[in-house]
Amino acid sequence: GAGVSQSPSNKVTEKGKDVELRCDPISGHTALYWYRQRLGQGLEFLIYFQGNSAPDKSGLPSDRFSAERTGESVSTLTIQRTQQEDSAVYLCASSARRRPYEQYFGPGTRLTVT
Amino acid sequence: GQSLEQPSEVTAVEGAIVQINCTYQTSGFYGLSWYQQHDGGAPTFLSYNGLDGLEETGRFSSFLSRSDSYGYLLLQELQMKDSASYFCAVTPQGGYNKLIFGAGTRLAVHP
Repeated sequence: GAGVSQSPSNKVTEKGKDVELRCDPISGHTALYWYRQRLGQGLEFLIYFQGNSAPDKSGLPSDRFSAERTGESVSTLTIQRTQQEDSAVYLCASSARRRPYEQYFGPGTRLTVT
Repeated sequence: GQSLEQPSEVTAVEGAIVQINCTYQTSGFYGLSWYQQHDGGAPTFLSYNGLDGLEETGRFSSFLSRSDSYGYLLLQELQMKDSASYFCAVTPQGGYNKLIFGAGTRLAVHP
C-alpha cells in the first residue's frame, strides 16, 4: 500500500513569506505527527494529531507555526513570516493508534529560507 | 523532562558486530524505540522495547534496562548498507503520542 507522502519535496522561500507543507498519512492510521530535523541533528517533535481529539501542540517553537488536520486524513503545517532558522527538513509520520512507537515517516519537505 | 545520549559516530568493518548505546534521563517512559535513517532518506522503524530485556529482529537486536537507564542496539553481520544514522527514542509517560529522539549515531561500515 501507499506510504506517507509529503509535498512539496523542496521549498525555497524568502524570509518573511508564509509557507504551507502538506502530509498524506497511511490510510487507516489515526495518529499523525510533524517533526523538524536540522542538518546533522535528531528529530524535534512539533505537533501530534489523534483522530478527533485536541492536538498536542507542545512542540511548536513559536506562534508562527500552526497545523491542521482534516479528520484522519491530510494535514498541513503552516509557517508564517518565515525566518532563516526555520530552514530544516520537516518530516511527517503516521502510526496506528495502539502502536505510537512504530511511526512511518514520509520523505520530508526540505525548507530553505533565504 | 527527557534527555537521551548516544555516541555521535561509530565505525566498524563488514561482517563485524557493533553496539550503539543509548543512555537516558527521563521522568518516566513507556518504551525505547530505534530508528534507522540513511542520508537524505526518511527514518524507518527498527525495534521497540516496552519491557526490559532483549528483542531480536533478524540481524538487529535491541536491549533495555530501566534500572540502569540504558539501552542499546546491536547490529550483527554488518553490511555496507547498514551505514546510516541510528536514533533511539522514548515514548514519554503522559505523552503516549510522540517520540522524543536522541541526536543520533552515525555508523560507518568499511570493507
